[in-house]
Amino acid sequence: AQKVTQAQTEISVVEKEDVTLDCVYETRDTTYYLFWYKQPPSGELVFLIRRNSFDEQNEISGRYSWNFQKSTSSFNFTITASQVVDSAVYFCALSEAVGYGNKLVFGAGTILRVKS
Amino acid sequence: AAGVIQSPRHLIKEKRETATLKCYPIPRHDTVYWYQQGPGQDPQFLISFYEKMQSDKGSIPDRFSAQQFSDYHSELNMSSLELGDSALYFCASSLTTGPYEQYFGPGTRLTVT
Repeated sequence: AQKVTQAQTEISVVEKEDVTLDCVYETRDTTYYLFWYKQPPSGELVFLIRRNSFDEQNEISGRYSWNFQKSTSSFNFTITASQVVDSAVYFCALSEAVGYGNKLVFGAGTILRVKS
Repeated sequence: AAGVIQSPRHLIKEKRETATLKCYPIPRHDTVYWYQQGPGQDPQFLISFYEKMQSDKGSIPDRFSAQQFSDYHSELNMSSLELGDSALYFCASSLTTGPYEQYFGPGTRLTVT
């Protein structure tokens, strides 16, 4: 069975602080895909990144970076120099296969509040 | 770039009524997904379609049905609405040949009174 755990329910930081959102997953498949989505107060779900299980290379995109470690089944997300606009709910999600309509299993989400 | 279109954006219905939500995927995307998100909860998968055939099914109530049409748009039909059906309903689409991420529409907020 697939499961995604985001242990941090809510995080509050002051602008310009760095913040890391934790994500731990469970799956029996050897091939799987991990995702991060952002849900701002307006409600839409915005895709941020996809990582394949066979590619453990970390990725950086501007102020965002992701650390994928298969050994600990973790896929953590770091925002550097946080900004008020980063305030949102962030979801980590898992898919055991892609294509042909396979579902995303989401974690409970982490509410990030960035204060000015 | 074109995004997933959902209509209506807001819908208010009374208990026991019927609702139909529509989804227009990103052009060329061949797979459509439906998710339900209750207040303060994560999105829960309902059902998906690939090339107009049901592909995967989650915890979708028997009162709900969905289909994908020849133009790839999809409709979620909900009957005998209950108060607990009040939620944000998302449609997402993806391309089977890649990239594989699901792109979500803005959602339909359904309120059942």
